[in-house]
Amino acid sequence: GQSLEQPSEVTAVEGAIVQINCTYQTSGFYGLSWYQQHDGGAPTFLSYNALDGLEETGRFSSFLSRSDSYGYLLLQELQMKDSASYFCAVGPNQGGKLIFGQGTELSVKP
Amino acid sequence: DAGVIQSPRHEVTEMGQEVTLRCKPISGHDYLFWYRQTMMRGLELLIYFNNNVPIDDSGMPEDRFSAKMPNASFSTLKIQPSEPRDSAVYFCASSSQGNYGYTFGSGTRLTVV
Repeated sequence: GQSLEQPSEVTAVEGAIVQINCTYQTSGFYGLSWYQQHDGGAPTFLSYNALDGLEETGRFSSFLSRSDSYGYLLLQELQMKDSASYFCAVGPNQGGKLIFGQGTELSVKP
Repeated sequence: DAGVIQSPRHEVTEMGQEVTLRCKPISGHDYLFWYRQTMMRGLELLIYFNNNVPIDDSGMPEDRFSAKMPNASFSTLKIQPSEPRDSAVYFCASSSQGNYGYTFGSGTRLTVV
């Protein structure tokens, strides 16, 4: 089977740093992606890691370790607008589909 | 660019009726995906197309579901007959690079009563 595990919810305060972990077990691996989804909205693409290491995009960074089948999303200088669900997703083959995790609901408190 | 356009935004229908969901991908994107989102099952891939050809429909729940992509700018997902358990948000997404950087539409919230 194919599965992705991430925490169901995380709470943090404004200005803090939070890390959302994702472990995966898939038949193949062609990259780990992260998506953000606000309540009632569509998922939006945040980042993509195909190789081991850290990718930084503004306040958001994403890390991948293929040997550990593990990645994380790091959100810095948290803002209230970062309250949303965050999904990790793996491409198990080169063809294009993504398998999504169940999502982590992040609540940012004042 | 208008992004991925889905219609309708909301659909309420009675059990047994036919439902058709529509999607216009971003011009130039050659991958199109249909996902279903529910609280219990999360985001599930139903089917995806590459260059208008269905590549993987293993996620389509049963024969009541069908999808077509007659050209590069239009796709439909049809449910016939609909059942209450089909109630969900259905998202269409497109991509130019396979599994990298999907752009999702706003979704269709389907309620079957």
